[in-house]
Amino acid sequence: AQKVTQAQTEISVVEKEDVTLDCVYETRDTTYYLFWYKQPPSGELVFLIRRNSFDEQNEISGRYSWNFQKSTSSFNFTITASQVVDSAVYFCALRPDPSWGKLQFGAGTQVVVTP
Amino acid sequence: EAQVTQNPRYLITVTGKKLTVTCSQNMNHEYMSWYRQDPGLGLRQIYYSMNVEVTDKGDVPEGYKVSRKEKRNFPLILESPSPNQTSLYFCASSLVGGADTQYFGPGTRLTVL
Repeated sequence: AQKVTQAQTEISVVEKEDVTLDCVYETRDTTYYLFWYKQPPSGELVFLIRRNSFDEQNEISGRYSWNFQKSTSSFNFTITASQVVDSAVYFCALRPDPSWGKLQFGAGTQVVVTP
Repeated sequence: EAQVTQNPRYLITVTGKKLTVTCSQNMNHEYMSWYRQDPGLGLRQIYYSMNVEVTDKGDVPEGYKVSRKEKRNFPLILESPSPNQTSLYFCASSLVGGADTQYFGPGTRLTVL
């Protein structure tokens, strides 16, 4: 069975602090994809990043960075120098087999950034 | 503009009254999917469709039906809604399944009294 765990329910920070969101996944498949989505207070779901199981290269995009470690089944997400606009719920998701249609989400982490 | 649309955006209904939530995409995507979002549970997949006339169950299909007669539309049908189906529903689409990024509709907030 596949499972995505986001152990942090809510994280509160003051603007300009860094925030790291944890994501741990479980799957028996050797091929899979991992995603991060953002849901701001307006409610829409915004795609942030996709990573496949064969690509452990970490990525930085502006203030966002991702740390994929297959050995620990983790796909963590860091916001550097947080801003109020980063306040949102962040979801980690797993697609265990590229030929399937299923997508497994974690419960989400609420990030609150105060000025 | 490329988008996934859902209607209605808000719906309040009563137990047992059949309803349909429509979902349409204009990106010629083969794959479409429905999710429900509940506090503390994240998004859970209800049904998905890899192509026209091809649908399959997600993790929480009970109480829901879908159909995929045309590529652009993927309606979600609640034949006899119950209060435990009160939720926020999202439709999503992607070019194909698997690695492709899913694009989500704006959501439909359903309340069943």
